[in-house]
Order: sequence, then structure tokens, then C-alpha cells
Amino acid sequence: QPVLTQSSSASASLGSSVKLTCTLSSGHSSYFITWHQQQPGKAPRYLMKLEGSGSYNKGSGVPDRFSGSSSGADRYLTISNLQSEDEADYYCETWDTYTRVFGGGTKLTVL
Amino acid sequence: EVQLVESGGGLVQPGGSLRLSCAASGFTFSSYWLSWVRQAPGKGLEWVANIKQDGSEKYYVDSVKGRFTISRDNAKNSLYLQMNSLRAEDTAVYYCARESGYYGEGIDYWGQGTLVTVSS
Repeated sequence: QPVLTQSSSASASLGSSVKLTCTLSSGHSSYFITWHQQQPGKAPRYLMKLEGSGSYNKGSGVPDRFSGSSSGADRYLTISNLQSEDEADYYCETWDTYTRVFGGGTKLTVL
Repeated sequence: EVQLVESGGGLVQPGGSLRLSCAASGFTFSSYWLSWVRQAPGKGLEWVANIKQDGSEKYYVDSVKGRFTISRDNAKNSLYLQMNSLRAEDTAVYYCARESGYYGEGIDYWGQGTLVTVSS
């Protein structure tokens, strides 16, 4: 089954950009993923579905500041013009026939 | 507007049972795979189980196989998770989630969660 690897933490300044990475395990580099945001004390929120080509589809109401891209087994979430409300945990998810898998999550701090 | 509302959480002793429910609205319930995902205190997300549109296929994470049962009632737009032989490590917020696409292609909506605490 696929495994997703994320850095445990990231930080960036207010108004700047940050690129979060989710890496698919060997043999699964073509898999689609989804990105989810979890603000402190809240339920997760779907951000986008991202495929290996780099094409992505965002959820309803997700700001234009959020975008996705891909390179090989890496899937990226880029947040531009960082706002204080972007401080959150970010999880990637993938799936196959019999299972769904989450990455360990990246805690983003906005400085 | 898609809404998923969980209920049924609470405090239960080790070895006990609990049944979670998820009431759905705002979409054609019978057209989607549905999942339960949990989050232990201070930890990340863990997929628990999912179920196909007609209930004919169900899958579970290894740690709950034989103890948890996922089910759905399409007439009532409701999803359930029967949890038996509960352990301390099952303590978590449990989220109901909808999976996009016909084949279950990633979660696209989440409920607000219900807390399950397993403790004596």
C-alpha cells in the first residue's frame, strides 16, 4: 500500500509564500492525492485534489492563494501571500482499492 | 450545502461498546463512498474504515478489524460505526467523511467530529 511522507513542520513570514511537500512511496509515484487543512481546534477541511501531471481541482471556497503542483513522486501545496489564518496543520491523503492513507501532517507556523 | 453531522461519542470503559452515527444532507447520499477517520489527541489523521455506495464493500485499517463494523442506511442518509472491544488507544475524535467520485477518490467533505474516550 502507498505511504505518504511529510515534513513535520514549516514556517514562513506573513505575506510571503510557502511550499509544502508530500512524497509518495516507491511504486506509487503516479497516484493522485488530496490536501486538507486543519486549523487549531477545528475539523479538517478539503483543499484540493492533485494528480501526477500537476493538474488540480480545489474545493469550494478555497482561496486563489492555494495552488498545487507535482514533480515525480512529490506533490506540493503552495500558499501565497500567507495570512495568519493559514497557520494550521496540513495533511495529504491518497488511496488505493482497499485502503486510504494520510501523511503525518505538516504544522505550518506563520511568523 | 453538504453537511455531515456525527453523534454518539462519549466516555466508555475498556472492553465496552459504542455506536457512532453520521447524518448526511445536501447531496445524493447513495452515490458516494463514505469513510470514518479518527484523530487521537495531539496526533495526526488515521483512516479507520470505508463503505461503498450500496454497502457491498467495506474496508478497515488493521487495528480495528474484527472489532469495528461500518454500515450505512441509504433510506435514512445515515452512516454508522459500531465499535466493540474498545481499547484506550481507540480514544480519538472520529470524523465522518465523504469520498469524491464513483470509486472513492479522496475525501472532499468532513463532519465536525465526535469525541470517543476509552477510560476506566
